[in-house]
Amino acid sequence: RKEVEQDPGPFNVPEGATVAFNCTYSNSASQSFFWYRQDCRKEPKLLMSVYSSGNEDGRFTAQLNRASQYISLLIRDSKLSDSATYLCVVNVNTGRRALTFGSGTRLQVQP
Amino acid sequence: DAGVIQSPRHEVTEMGQEVTLRCKPISGHDYLFWYRQTMMRGLELLIYFNNNVPIDDSGMPEDRFSAKMPNASFSTLKIQPSEPRDSAVYFCASSWGDKAFFGQGTRLTVV
Repeated sequence: RKEVEQDPGPFNVPEGATVAFNCTYSNSASQSFFWYRQDCRKEPKLLMSVYSSGNEDGRFTAQLNRASQYISLLIRDSKLSDSATYLCVVNVNTGRRALTFGSGTRLQVQP
Repeated sequence: DAGVIQSPRHEVTEMGQEVTLRCKPISGHDYLFWYRQTMMRGLELLIYFNNNVPIDDSGMPEDRFSAKMPNASFSTLKIQPSEPRDSAVYFCASSWGDKAFFGQGTRLTVV
């Protein structure tokens, strides 16, 4: 089983739609959680951290469910510029600092 | 700050040749990571350093791969000899705290 699993998509949605991605992680000791965004042929960039209480940044809302070991990202009022691959990222802070990436969910927002 | 700087951006080489990829992390960051990305396997961690010391190289695929970090501002990833299956995008990332920042990557093609 992969450490971090995501639905690869693609999710094809019209502009203005609300779209949600989920991600599950296997290690219950995982400490930190993030969503990264990767545009085609570019490097991954940090979109937002995910906190236990849930957090919002403009049109983006991230939530964490430790009991079920999943993370979600909600995008409201989607824009064409939101089209990208969204990577779920987990850090298991048990002496190993590196981030573990999911394979990503591709989003295509259509006019 | 200019961010994480990688060179070269693109490299095309013949099978059997030595390839050296270079990375300059963000000043002040104490962790440096080398990742490889392919369509089939996504983003894979190869090796990471803390304060210039290699911490975990379990992701290095085989002895043909080696990485060094002689000082806080420079790291190399070397492949010798290169093989066609090494073709991928190689990312360097650095972090201070949980959040990692990526360079633009080196797209390696081995023919």
